[in-house]
Amino acid sequence: ELKVEQNPLFLSMQEGKNYTIYCNYSTTSDRLYWYRQDPGKSLESLFVLLSNGAVKQEGRLMASLDTKARLSTLHITAAVHDLSATYFCAGNNDMRFGAGTRLTVKP
Amino acid sequence: DSGVTQTPKHLITATGQRVTLRCSPRSGDLSVYWYQQSLDQGLQFLIHYYNGEERAKGNILERFSAQQFPDLHSELNLSSLELGDSALYFCASSAQRVLGYTFGSGTRLTVV
Repeated sequence: ELKVEQNPLFLSMQEGKNYTIYCNYSTTSDRLYWYRQDPGKSLESLFVLLSNGAVKQEGRLMASLDTKARLSTLHITAAVHDLSATYFCAGNNDMRFGAGTRLTVKP
Repeated sequence: DSGVTQTPKHLITATGQRVTLRCSPRSGDLSVYWYQQSLDQGLQFLIHYYNGEERAKGNILERFSAQQFPDLHSELNLSSLELGDSALYFCASSAQRVLGYTFGSGTRLTVV
């Protein structure tokens, strides 16, 4: 069974700073998903990464996938308050989720 | 509106009771997934159905069961409810995994 580990679990950032969230997974996963969840809300799909070396960018967020290292990263550039949320990665056919990274961006 | 409809949005019930949560997937999506999210927790995969057939089971308790009907809607049945079953229950649907999964807005279950 796929195990997915995210770190950090909690992240407090200053506006304008850069940071990276890491997602490690235990066995082969043919794809990797990133989601955003605001408190009490549903999950919003951010990225679907389908192959080794895949990189996708949307606004201040960029996700990448290294299947050999079993690692995906979510890089945040010049953080703004609106990015405050919990970010989840998930992999494998049944979308096993990591524990999530709760991001708070402070002015 | 994501296109995935979950009802009810909120449910309050007593311990020992049984409830049914309903999910209608996006039009054309054959797969339905159920997840449980306890307070400040991650998402626990419960079960996956594809076109009416069970495809995979996760951490689903024996007190819980699910099914997917011919019209592709799915129901999650929770019985002998305990306080610890209080959580957000999400369903998600998918047509093709390369396109990702779409989540419903969830059902917030409170067991008192």
